[in-house]
Amino acid sequence: NAGVTQTPKFRILKIGQSMTLQCTQDMNHNYMYWYRQDPGMGLKLIYYSVGAGITDKGEVPNGYNVSRSTTEDFPLRLELAAPSQTSVYFCASSYHDRVGNTIYFGEGSWLTVV
Amino acid sequence: GDSVTQMEGPVTLSEEAFLTINCTYTATGYPSLFWYVQYPGEGLQLLLKATKADDKGSNKGFEATYRKETTSFHLEKGSVQVSDSAVYFCALRGTGANSKLTFGKGITLSVRP
Repeated sequence: NAGVTQTPKFRILKIGQSMTLQCTQDMNHNYMYWYRQDPGMGLKLIYYSVGAGITDKGEVPNGYNVSRSTTEDFPLRLELAAPSQTSVYFCASSYHDRVGNTIYFGEGSWLTVV
Repeated sequence: GDSVTQMEGPVTLSEEAFLTINCTYTATGYPSLFWYVQYPGEGLQLLLKATKADDKGSNKGFEATYRKETTSFHLEKGSVQVSDSAVYFCALRGTGANSKLTFGKGITLSVRP
């Protein structure tokens, strides 16, 4: 029962490098999300997708890009890593974006930019 | 816009103590309210939820009641265990189209044996 799977779990990047955080879900959810969690703060929404081929910005999209070519996968791309992007990243999914529907989270990806 | 305010932490309790974690919110209409828990090194898990006023969510001995009149959703447990040590997040989802989860800052609970 995999649920939401993120890779890698830990990564150290140098300033200016690029990388992709992978996310896949096996629950056939149409909605997928990327959040970041900074120390002492709640989660902030970076991007979300309501279905394959459709993506939209959340609260803090600058410095990131996403794509949704399949229902299962929702990768997050960092093009020019900056120290401000040091954070824990969570991918999540839900069946519908209706009030009360549960959002399921992956285990997180710890990213450090030095 | 929507917002969630949680009490300041961290909180340290002895095993079997009573727990209350305060959460208040600001939102239009009738949002759904959630408590998520994050155990060390893991992702967030839904602990409980309530979708309308006066609903009580409960799970694993935790309870929270949706209080529209005080815009609150306080989390309680009668007797905490060491295994309850985690970070607890209060969150809401509004009623607007494509509304998303808005989280509080989270509070760390440590339970001593």
